[in-house]
Amino acid sequence: NAGVTQTPKFRILKIGQSMTLQCTQDMNHNYMYWYRQDPGMGLKLIYYSVGAGITDKGEVPNGYNVSRSTTEDFPLRLELAAPSQTSVYFCASSPGTGDFGTEAFFGQGTRLTVV
Amino acid sequence: QKEVEQNSGPLSVPEGAIASLNCTYSDRGSQSFFWYRQYSGKSPELIMFIYSNGDKEDGRFTAQLNKASQYVSLLIRDSQPSDSATYLCAVNDRGSTLGRLYFGRGTQLTVWP
Repeated sequence: NAGVTQTPKFRILKIGQSMTLQCTQDMNHNYMYWYRQDPGMGLKLIYYSVGAGITDKGEVPNGYNVSRSTTEDFPLRLELAAPSQTSVYFCASSPGTGDFGTEAFFGQGTRLTVV
Repeated sequence: QKEVEQNSGPLSVPEGAIASLNCTYSDRGSQSFFWYRQYSGKSPELIMFIYSNGDKEDGRFTAQLNKASQYVSLLIRDSQPSDSATYLCAVNDRGSTLGRLYFGRGTQLTVWP
């Protein structure tokens, strides 16, 4: 059981380039999330999905796009990379909220630098 | 915008002491509360969750929740150097934003031998 797998682990982009961060989970979780974490800061939600075909914006969606065509995969697309998108990106999944919500399981992160 | 605030830290305690980490949240409708531990360069991992007012104990960790005061805390007893990490408080609500987790900035804890 691999859990949540993110690729790549590290990437350097030039300003204006585009890329896709891949995320896949094998726990059959309905909920998936993309967070970014800047130094000394907590996690900020970029986008989330409550199931295949359903996505919604989080706190900081500008400059990003997502899709959710399957339960397993939730890729994050960066268009026209900017230095402000230099950050560590975490993908996470959770089985659903139930009555009180459930915890999220995180991937190992992608460290992205835009130069 | 839902706010989750943590004591800014960094917090430094000697080995064997009790470390106390605090978190307040802005949304009274919040239902569930999580403490994640994050080692430097690693991803967050869940260590405790709590839904009901009062205390919840798991080994050396105790989570305390007071919904009236909108306050949740984490106590680490008999702190060990291996507890040195950043601790993130997260809040999950059941409103229109089902499934969303809001995180605080984290408190960096150092346990010195």
